[in-house]
Amino acid sequence: DADVTQTPRNRITKTGKRIMLECSQTKGHDRMYWYRQDPGLGLRLIYYSFDVKDINKGEISDGYSVSRQAQAKFSLSLESAIPNQTALYFCATSDSRDRVNTGELFFGEGSRLTVL
Amino acid sequence: TQLLEQSPQFLSIQEGENLTVYCNSSSVFSSLQWYRQEPGEGPVLLVTVVTGGEVKKLKRLTFQFGDARKDSSLHITAAQPGDTGLYLCAGNGWGKLQFGAGTQVVVTP
Repeated sequence: DADVTQTPRNRITKTGKRIMLECSQTKGHDRMYWYRQDPGLGLRLIYYSFDVKDINKGEISDGYSVSRQAQAKFSLSLESAIPNQTALYFCATSDSRDRVNTGELFFGEGSRLTVL
Repeated sequence: TQLLEQSPQFLSIQEGENLTVYCNSSSVFSSLQWYRQEPGEGPVLLVTVVTGGEVKKLKRLTFQFGDARKDSSLHITAAQPGDTGLYLCAGNGWGKLQFGAGTQVVVTP
């Protein structure tokens, strides 16, 4: 089984619908992240969490919210999806040994979201 | 505006040829990571470089971190079809990891 699991893997929805992407991990890492990937733009950070009570906005958090339900679970919500949120979304984890830098990221397999 | 600029955006070569991918920035990074991503999967870390001027080798892959810690390069010797993928650089600065847009490498037999 994958260390970082994302569900669903693919989702097609309509404008205005609420969508939740879920992520669970078995690596025992404190830090979890949500990124979106768009062609030509690389990976951009949406939200990150250093532990259950520490959640922070990334560079493109508008239109998104997150919930850290437990150390192993981090979900991303789109309250009212719009077409320009069509993208490939990745959850990632890292350990917290380095207080300053982000260490190796372990990614899930991605969730492809299409908003019509 | 991309903090990290990768070039070229796309590279198609024949098996056995060499290639170099560049990652440039005007910012200084405390460390820089290189990832490879294959279709349908998440990126996987190849290497982390930390010291200015550092060179790391991973089989046929050679990674170099610039002296000023602003740029990096990835050189692949005698590329194989298994090297096909999206190569991403990511710089560590101010507690955040910033990714470049990636270089798509295609190696044909």
